[in-house]
Amino acid sequence: AQSVTQLGSHVSVSEGALVLLRCNYSSSVPPYLFWYVQYPNQGLQLLLKYTTGATLVKGINGFEAEFKKSETSFHLTKPSAHMSDAAEYFCAATDPGGGADGLTFGKGTHLIIQP
Amino acid sequence: EAQVTQNPRYLITVTGKKLTVTCSQNMNHEYMSWYRQDPGLGLRQIYYSMNVEVTDKGDVPEGYKVSRKEKRNFPLILESPSPNQTSLYFCASSFRPSNQPQHFGDGTRLSIL
Repeated sequence: AQSVTQLGSHVSVSEGALVLLRCNYSSSVPPYLFWYVQYPNQGLQLLLKYTTGATLVKGINGFEAEFKKSETSFHLTKPSAHMSDAAEYFCAATDPGGGADGLTFGKGTHLIIQP
Repeated sequence: EAQVTQNPRYLITVTGKKLTVTCSQNMNHEYMSWYRQDPGLGLRQIYYSMNVEVTDKGDVPEGYKVSRKEKRNFPLILESPSPNQTSLYFCASSFRPSNQPQHFGDGTRLSIL
């Protein structure tokens, strides 16, 4: 069984500063990895995904994430935070073997942007 | 527009009164799933369905039922709701369960008094 750990339930950064949201996974084989964003009163929207190939993945809204197998990590970054980035962010993993279990989510990180 | 539609968006009800949350997708997806979201716990899978008439339990199935009679619909049924089922519920769908990103509905907030 795999698990996903997001370090920090709340992260606060100043507008214009670097955003770094941490995600580590634990599974017997490297999973497919996803970052989702949830704005208030909305569903989850896919930011980016890693399946195979290039380990640096670019997503929407200027976000990117790097898959590091040696560190079992998939941290999300954005060079310059914007007020509109304030939201809940979820890292998720799934079995690349095509199993039916769906997504295993981390507990989420609430990103706060200080003006 | 491709979307997953849940109804109702909000519901306050009482213990023991059966309720159904509907979920419909217009993307011809085979795979559908229900999650509940609770503070500090993230999203946890309740049930999933690989295709019509094929359903299986997720991580937290107790107190819930589902059915998949048509490809586009995947209702979540609470036969006898209890206060510990007060939560935010999300339906999701995708073409295949694993390497395809799932599309989520906007959520249903249930309050069981």
